[in-house]
Amino acid sequence: QKEVEQNSGPLSVPEGAIASLNCTYSDRGSQSFFWYRQYSGKSPELIMFIYSNGDKEDGRFTAQLNKASQYVSLLIRDSQPSDSATYLCAVRDDYKLSFGAGTTVTVRA
Amino acid sequence: GAGVSQSPSNKVTEKGKDVELRCDPISGHTALYWYRQSLGQGLEFLIYFQGNSAPDKSGLPSDRFSAERTGGSVSTLTIQRTQQEDSAVYLCASSKRTGTNEKLFFGSGTQLSVL
Repeated sequence: QKEVEQNSGPLSVPEGAIASLNCTYSDRGSQSFFWYRQYSGKSPELIMFIYSNGDKEDGRFTAQLNKASQYVSLLIRDSQPSDSATYLCAVRDDYKLSFGAGTTVTVRA
Repeated sequence: GAGVSQSPSNKVTEKGKDVELRCDPISGHTALYWYRQSLGQGLEFLIYFQGNSAPDKSGLPSDRFSAERTGGSVSTLTIQRTQQEDSAVYLCASSKRTGTNEKLFFGSGTQLSVL
C-alpha cells in the first residue's frame, strides 16, 4: 500500500512568518514529488515540484527532499493571507500520482 | 484548449439515476486521470488513460463506475445507479505523457450531489 502522510493541521501562522509543511511517503522507489495548493472550492494548482535530494527554491516557496528519510517538505516564507489554503503533497511512481490528505494553512493578518 | 475543461461543473441527481461526467484535457496531453475528492478528504485515484487505453482501472470503487476515452482526447466517466456515497467532486487531470517527471494539471471539477 503506497501511502503519503501529511499533518492535517490546521496550521496557523502570522503574516510574514514562515509556514513549514511536512510530508512522508512509504514507497522508497518514488521518484518525483509535487506540492499542490488548493483554495476552498477550487481545484488543485501545482506550485512546486522536486526530483533530487536537497532544496529547490521558487520565489517565496522552498521544497526540500530527503529520499533516505522518505521526507519532503514545503516552506512558505513571508506568509501572506493569500497563502491560506490546503496544501497537498503528491508522490509520483511511474504514471500514478498519490496524494496526501492535505495540510490546511491559515495566515493571520 | 488552454486548460483542462470539465462539464458539468455541478450535477444534482436522484439516487439510482445514471450520470455522465466529461473531461476535455489540454491539447496534446496523452495521459488523462480521474480522481475523486470527498468533502474534507484528499484525492482518491480512480482511473488512468494513456491514449485511449486504460492500463490502470484499479481505483474504480465498483462496477457501477466506468470510463472511456476517444480520439486520445475527451474522456467520459459514467456512474450507473448512483448512490449517496458517490457524492463528491470528480477531478480530471492531464499530462503531456507518462513519466515520473510529468506534471499533472487539473480541471475545475464536477461537484456531484446524489439526493
